[in-house]
Amino acid sequence: AQSVTQPDIHITVSEGASLELRCNYSYGATPYLFWYVQSPGQGLQLLLKYFSGDTLVQGIKGFEAEFKRSQSSFNLRKPSVHWSDAAEYFCAVGGAEYGNKLVFGAGTILRVKS
Amino acid sequence: DAGITQSPRHKVTETGTPVTLRCHQTENHRYMYWYRQDPGHGLRLIHYSYGVKDTDKGEVSDGYSVSRSKTEDFLLTLESATSSQTSVYFCAISGRGQPNTDTQYFGPGTRLTVL
Repeated sequence: AQSVTQPDIHITVSEGASLELRCNYSYGATPYLFWYVQSPGQGLQLLLKYFSGDTLVQGIKGFEAEFKRSQSSFNLRKPSVHWSDAAEYFCAVGGAEYGNKLVFGAGTILRVKS
Repeated sequence: DAGITQSPRHKVTETGTPVTLRCHQTENHRYMYWYRQDPGHGLRLIHYSYGVKDTDKGEVSDGYSVSRSKTEDFLLTLESATSSQTSVYFCAISGRGQPNTDTQYFGPGTRLTVL
């Protein structure tokens, strides 16, 4: 079955440190890839998306993600984390192989320590 | 922010009672979705709509029904609520592309507790 895997349920990083959140999808020749962020008690906000072209995409709040087809991955990165980045992050995948919907990962909770 | 509101934002109900959640959009987007969010499961699609009176099931549709009589409103009904339906429910919309490729925009969520 098609799936999206976020291997890390929780990640804790120090403020100012770099961050990488992992996302792997099961298959798809031309995946449509998304990262969303959810602050406590809020809905999901789109950080960035990849449809085609340059495999390194820039998003809001200083985030970027890199699509690696050979690894079926779309990892999210930020060079220097701020305390306000503490939230839950969701990867989502769509495309022809995923039927009429987006498939979401289970999420990664980011904690930032000062 | 996309113009999406959900009502109520919080609800506590008892097992066996009917519950209706409402999603309202001001963006005139074609597609609307209902998800539930549970720890360890991310977001799971319940139902979606691709136009007025046009709806289809998602992966966790059992126990839920939906209706869309106007472009701007998408209702989710639990005919007889059960404790397993305690969750946070999110509405989402998308407009230009297909539901498996287009960006979705989310409402603020409804926290439902079934006692």
